[in-house]
Amino acid sequence: AQTVTQSQPEMSVQEAETVTLSCTYDTSESDYYLFWYKQPPSRQMILVIRQEAYKQQNATENRFSVNFQKAAKSFSLKISDSQLGDAAMYFCAYRSARHDPGNTPLVFGKGTRLSVIA
Amino acid sequence: DVKVTQSSRYLVKRTGEKVFLECVQDMDHENMFWYRQDPGLGLRLIYFSYDVKMKEKGDIPEGYSVSREKKERFSLILESASTNQTSMYLCASSFRPLTDTQYFGPGTRLTVL
Repeated sequence: AQTVTQSQPEMSVQEAETVTLSCTYDTSESDYYLFWYKQPPSRQMILVIRQEAYKQQNATENRFSVNFQKAAKSFSLKISDSQLGDAAMYFCAYRSARHDPGNTPLVFGKGTRLSVIA
Repeated sequence: DVKVTQSSRYLVKRTGEKVFLECVQDMDHENMFWYRQDPGLGLRLIYFSYDVKMKEKGDIPEGYSVSREKKERFSLILESASTNQTSMYLCASSFRPLTDTQYFGPGTRLTVL
């Protein structure tokens, strides 16, 4: 079974600085998808960024970018120019590309709580 | 914008009660999911459904059941609530295939006394 590990339960960053959240995963598959989700306090979880394993280019979304190292099974999230609104719980997630109905849709890590210091 | 709504933000029930958690999505998504979120454990999948009247067990289905009679609605049922089911419950939906992005509801914080 696939597993996702987020080794940093908590992180903090100064406003306007850059922070990197780490994520590693374990799989024997070659085709899959990786996600970072953000859950602000008392608010809905939203997708931050998504990466297809077959793409070599790292995904970016404005101030958010990933460093996808397929051989190392690493998928870190970099937040540049951090803002107070970035404070949230961040979850890394893995999804197999297989479409079997019985396949677990998403495997989540345990999350990293990010604090942004003004 | 995709909208996923859950019937209650906060719910308090007593041990042994039957509990219904409702989730509705307005984007004609085929797939719907129920997760529970606990501190230090992340999100764990309880059940999911990829079509009306279809359901699949997730990682922790024990003590739960689900119902999907209509495409837009996915209900999670606790047949006899227990204190260890006190948790945050999150509903999500997505288009086919299962690899597509999931959209989450605001969550229901259930306390079982």
